[in-house]
Amino acid sequence: GENVEQHPSTLSVQEGDSAVIKCTYSDSASNYFPWYKQELGKGPQLIIDIRSNVGEKKDQRIAVTLNKTAKHFSLHITETQPEDSAVYFCAAVTFGNEKLTFGTGTRLTIIP
Amino acid sequence: DTGVSQDPRHKITKRGQNVTFRCDPISEHNRLYWYRQTLGQGPEFLTYFQNEAQLEKSRLLSDRFSAERPKGSFSTLEIQRTEQGDSAMYLCASSLTGNEQFFGPGTRLTVL
Repeated sequence: GENVEQHPSTLSVQEGDSAVIKCTYSDSASNYFPWYKQELGKGPQLIIDIRSNVGEKKDQRIAVTLNKTAKHFSLHITETQPEDSAVYFCAAVTFGNEKLTFGTGTRLTIIP
Repeated sequence: DTGVSQDPRHKITKRGQNVTFRCDPISEHNRLYWYRQTLGQGPEFLTYFQNEAQLEKSRLLSDRFSAERPKGSFSTLEIQRTEQGDSAMYLCASSLTGNEQFFGPGTRLTVL
């Protein structure tokens, strides 16, 4: 089955700087890659996603890039703000399947 | 816009007791998913429904676990004869497309 690796596990950045979180996946048949933000005591919140026919997608301060050949994808957050502090999870879905396989998460801390 | 709701939010039970959780999806979503999340980990897929049909079950879902979605709307997840290893956050998600999955706040189960 699919395996998703995520790093770093923790990341601290100064407010206003950029943050990058990287994930790799194992199944070349995976074709959908969402990113979730989870705050303490809450369920994961879908923040951005990308499909395998697209190399990059941007939504205001967040962007995701996908390299199908290398089987990795990344989340980029620019101009970070204190409210960006949370745990971020990447995930992958294999074509013909509907279950999300999650990475192990990155705890992002924005330092004021 | 009403999101996914779960009840109860917290459940403390003694080992050996049965517990049941409820999930109400976003109203027009025909797909409903259950995941389990332990501390410091990403959510792990348990099972999913399309309308009232249960289409896939993870090997994580032992025979002590049963899920239903009798009318294709809300779903219940029952755990019989709970064990301490069942302590986790149980997350429900719903989707219209099978890709974009929207999560509820979760039910935190503690088995004493």
